[in-house]
Amino acid sequence: KAGVTQTPRYLIKTRGQQVTLSCSPISGHRSVSWYQQTPGQGLQFLFEYFSETQRNKGNFPGRFSGRQFSNSRSEMNVSTLELGDSALYLCASSLGTGVSYTFGSGTRLTVV
Amino acid sequence: QQPVQSPQAVILREGEDAVINCSSSKALYSVHWYRQKHGEAPVFLMILLKGGEQKGHEKISASFNEKKQQSSLYLTASQLSYSGTYFCGTDDTGTASKLTFGTGTRLQVTL
Repeated sequence: KAGVTQTPRYLIKTRGQQVTLSCSPISGHRSVSWYQQTPGQGLQFLFEYFSETQRNKGNFPGRFSGRQFSNSRSEMNVSTLELGDSALYLCASSLGTGVSYTFGSGTRLTVV
Repeated sequence: QQPVQSPQAVILREGEDAVINCSSSKALYSVHWYRQKHGEAPVFLMILLKGGEQKGHEKISASFNEKKQQSSLYLTASQLSYSGTYFCGTDDTGTASKLTFGTGTRLQVTL
């Protein structure tokens, strides 16, 4: 059974640019969550999608957005990148509510 | 507001026991525990549900005190493979669609 796949693994962008990250959940999982991980703040919740609907959103500026497709694959977009956006972005999928999450290996974003 | 984990770091010799605590200021529906090894994705350990029983498998178990909004993770007879950073994720919505993670406890097991 394939795990959660995130692409790309590494990304270097310049301030002001935008970036799109992709996440393919485990087959059959309809919930996809995104987290930002930094050494200082730990794992911070960005948003969660279930059946193409955003059910919950964290305290991040509007530059951070996401969407989920009918096949449950999800994308996350960050516009007008800032140096502080440098982080590991983790995607996690689950069957639904109240069950365990399986995390992907993440996308390491560096903004220069 | 993030749950508070303690200790922040702990070093154990193989075979020793450890307890990691997670405390929240909010009323919780569930607590999730994950372990992350360096350079790898967090891996699910267990979920403690409100009104549920203490969970465990092999030598790792956990408890959830609903009145105090606290959870504890117990690692007994630690093995080298237990090394990593442990995170508790708390659900205060009842949907578990949003987990708030603690800042983590770094555990190192040595020979």
